[in-house]
Amino acid sequence: ETGVTQSPTHLIKTRGQQVTLRCSSQSGHNTVSWYQQALGQGPQFIFQYYREEENGRGNFPPRFSGLQFPNYSSELNVNALELDDSALYLCASSGTSGMFGANVLTFGAGSRLTVL
Amino acid sequence: GESVGLHLPTLSVQEGDNSIINCAYSNSASDYFIWYKQESGKGPQFIIDIRSNMDKRQGQRVTVLLNKTVKHLSLQIAATQPGDSAVYFCAEVKAAGNKLTFGGGTRVLVKP
Repeated sequence: ETGVTQSPTHLIKTRGQQVTLRCSSQSGHNTVSWYQQALGQGPQFIFQYYREEENGRGNFPPRFSGLQFPNYSSELNVNALELDDSALYLCASSGTSGMFGANVLTFGAGSRLTVL
Repeated sequence: GESVGLHLPTLSVQEGDNSIINCAYSNSASDYFIWYKQESGKGPQFIIDIRSNMDKRQGQRVTVLLNKTVKHLSLQIAATQPGDSAVYFCAEVKAAGNKLTFGGGTRVLVKP
């Protein structure tokens, strides 16, 4: 059973650019969530995808968007990058949406984004 | 607003001693509370969770205590080992939605 894999692991962008981060969910998991973790802080919920549709969103502006594909993999897109977008972006997959499943919420190692 | 926070940003503990990590929460409507461990370069790893209607739950070398009266959560690690060195986060969740609200984290340093 494979875990959650994310790519790229590290990337550097400049202000105003756009970025796409990718996530492959754990085998058998159909729900993907994205979190932003600033240095020295806890992860902050961005949004969740279930059956290819957004299923819950945190306090993030519309320039943060996502996709989920039929194979349950997902992308996080951020437009018009700002310096404060520099963070570790974590993807987590789980088995069932709408039910508590934190004990099967499997996190990837994250994509570290630096915005200059 | 809703928040989950921690009292101690850094905890230094001697190998073999017990560790206690504390967390205060403000949203009494949460259904579950969870502890995660995050090692350098890795994503958070689930340690243990507790339902809001429980006071105590034990796992392997870990115990979570929930005091709803003062909205306080703690994680006890018995016989702390070098491999326990990491940042620990508490998080809360409502059953419907599976959105986790994390606190700021406590770094645990295990001294040999």
